[in-house]
Amino acid sequence: NAGVTQTPKFRILKIGQSMTLQCTQDMNHNYMYWYRQDPGMGLKLIYYSVGAGITDKGEVPNGYNVSRSTTEDFPLRLELAAPSQTSVYFCASSYSDRVFTFGSGTRLTVV
Amino acid sequence: EDKVVQSPLSLVVHEGDTVTLNCSYEVTNFRSLLWYKQEKKAPTFLFMLTSSGIEKKSGRLSSILDKKELFSILNITATQTGDSAIYLCAVSAYSGAGSYQLTFGKGTKLSVIP
Repeated sequence: NAGVTQTPKFRILKIGQSMTLQCTQDMNHNYMYWYRQDPGMGLKLIYYSVGAGITDKGEVPNGYNVSRSTTEDFPLRLELAAPSQTSVYFCASSYSDRVFTFGSGTRLTVV
Repeated sequence: EDKVVQSPLSLVVHEGDTVTLNCSYEVTNFRSLLWYKQEKKAPTFLFMLTSSGIEKKSGRLSSILDKKELFSILNITATQTGDSAIYLCAVSAYSGAGSYQLTFGKGTKLSVIP
């Protein structure tokens, strides 16, 4: 059982480039989330989804976009990378509001 | 705006010490409070608390929730170097339209020295 799988694990982007962070879960969870974690700042919610075709903004959505075409996949898109988006990104999923399962994270550096 | 505050933000103890980590919260439509341990990578689940006064235990770790005073504590007894990590407190709340969100505190960085 793979759980939540994130790719890539590391990435360096130049300012203005775009990329997609991939997230896949195999637990048939309806809820999926993207968080970013900055040093000493805890995790902040970027976007979340309550099911295929339904997404909504979290606390820090600016500069990001998401889509949820299937239950399993919840990619996060950065269109014009900025240094402020340097962070560690975690995808998570849950069945309802109970225990969240996290992916192993993507460390992104924008230079 | 939902808020979760953890204290202390960092803590250094010697092996064998007992530590207490604190988490207070202000959220609307509270559902549960969760504790996670984060070492190098993703947070790993420790406890979920939904009812006041019922202690959850796992080995040397225990946690309790006070829904009246809006706080929780995480206790670690006989600390070991392997307990060194960031401990995250998060509160799950109903956010409308059938959805739930986790709001995280900034975490407590625990360092256990031999």
